[in-house]
Amino acid sequence: QVPLQESGPGLVKPSETLSLTCSVSGYSISIAYYWGWIRQPPGKGLEWIGHIHQSGSTYYNPSLKSRVTISVDTSKNQFSLKLSSVTAADTAVYYCARGQGDVVVGYYFDDWGQGTLVTVSS
Amino acid sequence: SYELTQPPSVSVSPGQTARITCSGDALPQKFAYWYQQKSGQAPVLVIYEDTKRPSGIPERFSGSSSGTMATLTISGAQVEDEGDYYCYSTDSSGNTCVFGGGTKLTVL
Repeated sequence: QVPLQESGPGLVKPSETLSLTCSVSGYSISIAYYWGWIRQPPGKGLEWIGHIHQSGSTYYNPSLKSRVTISVDTSKNQFSLKLSSVTAADTAVYYCARGQGDVVVGYYFDDWGQGTLVTVSS
Repeated sequence: SYELTQPPSVSVSPGQTARITCSGDALPQKFAYWYQQKSGQAPVLVIYEDTKRPSGIPERFSGSSSGTMATLTISGAQVEDEGDYYCYSTDSSGNTCVFGGGTKLTVL
């Protein structure tokens, strides 16, 4: 298991940008694997946001693509999520996760952070 | 957009077999994955690549896939297996990932 820990503001104002960071312990994110973000609105199901390969290739949910940026900071062993122009509908628990796979077998997430609640409200 | 369809709920008595289905048009070409989520916790992978079980997952959890339907089977379900179960896969391009709507499993 690879420990992952999300961090960032728990409250974001409407129309602003949500920014979260995931710190990875005990493993270098520059070696391999994919690194992704998934969210879960209160009382609802899971939604894939996107993921990034250590090479820099990114894959985004088409419904969020225009507002999402996922990036990697290998010097800090972290990866980040930015979601712009947020509304109340973006209120959710946000999880970071380690991913495996490829375009043939599909990408999946085998280790997850504990999640962090982000509320969008003025 | 691609969708995976699961029943909202499944209920069994302790010791019975629970089956949770997931249907999707791309499942004949793409693997299905299953996650267990207990209340207030992060999801845990219980089945990957249709049928494989990660280390640490009890043998009573198994997966299968045929045509456009994947199935998670819990043989001899226990009270501690209660929770929400999500299937997960990708569309035919392999680049867009999707979760099913989730199935609430009740064991009582």
